[in-house]
Amino acid sequence: GIQVEQSPPDLILQEGANSTLRCNFSDSVNNLQWFHQNPWGQLINLFYIPSGTKQNGRLSATTVATERYSLLYISSSQTTDSGVYFCAVGNTGNQFYFGTGTSLTVIP
Amino acid sequence: KAGVTQTPRYLIKTRGQQVTLSCSPISGHRSVSWYQQTPGQGLQFLFEYFSETQRNKGNFPGRFSGRQFSNSRSEMNVSTLELGDSALYLCASSSRLTLSTDTQYFGPGTRLTVL
Repeated sequence: GIQVEQSPPDLILQEGANSTLRCNFSDSVNNLQWFHQNPWGQLINLFYIPSGTKQNGRLSATTVATERYSLLYISSSQTTDSGVYFCAVGNTGNQFYFGTGTSLTVIP
Repeated sequence: KAGVTQTPRYLIKTRGQQVTLSCSPISGHRSVSWYQQTPGQGLQFLFEYFSETQRNKGNFPGRFSGRQFSNSRSEMNVSTLELGDSALYLCASSSRLTLSTDTQYFGPGTRLTVL
């Protein structure tokens, strides 16, 4: 299967700070999604981004498929951004591979 | 559109029992996948169903099984429960033929505790 590595594993930020989360993957993919898992366990879709750049409010993401990595940018972080961020990828098979996540804590 | 729903949300069982979890996908979605999330192993793929057929299965023992009905609702069953089966079980649905090329939408999960 595809190996997915996320960094950093843990991140603590002051409210208002910016951050960059990284996702590296071991094989070519045609599906990449970023999720935010809230404290109740719900995985919330942030981006479907197998390539290119997308922005949604304070969040943006870039995937460079040829170099097998994706970045998630969070600007002007808020306490509600706290939680675990997952990157997940898929290729030709019918399976989705998840990274181990980045745990983000935003302090007021 | 209503999102993915899972029932029950919480479940407590004892070792040796069996359990059935249910997932209703987004209306019109024909693909349903199941994942197990534990602190030690992270999110692991269990299996995926499309139009009542299992298309792929992860590396789990035969105690874990599933099925999909004609209305795309899916159930997963775990027999002879072990302590290590305590986990958050997540269901995801997607609309297209190929799981790996489509957006996955997740339900809120079922938190299973095995005592």
